[in-house]
Amino acid sequence: TQLLEQSPQFLSIQEGENLTVYCNSSSVFSSLQWYRQEPGEGPVLLVTVVTGGEVKKLKRLTFQFGDARKDSSLHITAAQPGDTGLYLCAGGNDMRFGAGTRLTVKP
Amino acid sequence: DAGVIQSPRHEVTEMGQEVTLRCKPISGHNSLFWYRQTMMRGLELLIYFNNNVPIDDSGMPEDRFSAKMPNASFSTLKIQPSEPRDSAVYFCASSPSGGSGRSYEQYFGPGTRLTVT
Repeated sequence: TQLLEQSPQFLSIQEGENLTVYCNSSSVFSSLQWYRQEPGEGPVLLVTVVTGGEVKKLKRLTFQFGDARKDSSLHITAAQPGDTGLYLCAGGNDMRFGAGTRLTVKP
Repeated sequence: DAGVIQSPRHEVTEMGQEVTLRCKPISGHNSLFWYRQTMMRGLELLIYFNNNVPIDDSGMPEDRFSAKMPNASFSTLKIQPSEPRDSAVYFCASSPSGGSGRSYEQYFGPGTRLTVT
């Protein structure tokens, strides 16, 4: 089983602040996905990173895959209340998810 | 396009009763996943199918749980008999990818919230 550890577990910030959340493993992944889940809904796919060192941008969200393909980060610039949710990373042949980072952005 | 459809959205049942959860994947997707989510344990993979064949059921908690996929457009997850500790949100997801060594981009349904009293 390829374990994914996410940090921090909880994050509460004010609107307009920047933040970074992390997804780490001791295993190498061929690709890694990031999802956001809002209360009462299923996770929604945000991005897939495939190449070591790859950086992908989705509006104010920047995703990076580590050079060794063992870790990934998600950076949000100028966070907004609409970014509130549970951010999950997933990867590996066994389709495991990390425990997630629960983000709250206060207006 | 319709996404993954799950039914029912909410289920309340008494301990010992049989529960059947249903899922219709996105048309054309060849992989289907069943997950369970709780605050304590997060999102746990129960079982997944590729081309209607169960590939990995190591996450199924015990013999009380069973899953079937009789065709490409329908799957069920059954719990018999149900217990209070089965209370959770159960998600179905489908993916267009497949095959050994590949990672899967998954599209989730809205989930079924199960409460066993």
